Amino acid sequence: AQSVTQPDIHITVSEGASLELRCNYSYGATPYLFWYVQSPGQGLQLLLKYFSGDTLVQGIKGFEAEFKRSQSSFNLRKPSVHWSDAAEYFCAVGRTGTASKLTFGTGTRLQVTL
Amino acid sequence: DGGITQSPKYLFRKEGQNVTLSCEQNLNHDAMYWYRQDPGQGLRLIYYSQIVNDFQKGDIAEGYSVSREKKESFPLTVTSAQKNPTAFYLCASSPDRGFAVQYFGAGTRLSVL
Repeated sequence: AQSVTQPDIHITVSEGASLELRCNYSYGATPYLFWYVQSPGQGLQLLLKYFSGDTLVQGIKGFEAEFKRSQSSFNLRKPSVHWSDAAEYFCAVGRTGTASKLTFGTGTRLQVTL
Repeated sequence: DGGITQSPKYLFRKEGQNVTLSCEQNLNHDAMYWYRQDPGQGLRLIYYSQIVNDFQKGDIAEGYSVSREKKESFPLTVTSAQKNPTAFYLCASSPDRGFAVQYFGAGTRLSVL
């Protein structure tokens, strides 16, 4: 069965510093991978996705992620964090089958200090 | 504007009561999904539907029911059999061609009185 691990429950960074959020997945084939962001009390917004091809994917708001098959990882990065990036971030892997079902990690809450 | 509308934003349930959460989309998506979100547990799939008049159980369907009578609507009923209904409920939809991205509504927070 597919699974996603986000080992960091909570991360604090200073505004302007770089950010890396970790995501490890367990899946038997080439996965579909996603990063979503959630502001408090809101729904999820897609930041980026990996389906195939170039292993470095660019997303919205200056985020990027790199798919590393050998490490079963899909870490999210941003070179310079803004205070508005404070939110909860979820990594997800797409499951095979007849529908586009997702398995989510437990999330990483990002706090940005000024 | 196209999107997914969930209502109400906040909902309170009394003991033994069934409550229904609304989810409407005008994106012309075929597939729709319901997730439950609890602190520290991420999102868990309750039910999903790929086509009108058909739906499938997800990972935590017990105590919930759904219907899909129209393409744009996928209401979720939290029944009295769900003993721990307090959570944030999220509805999503996707075009369902191949593997497609899911788009989410703003959620409904359900609490027990």
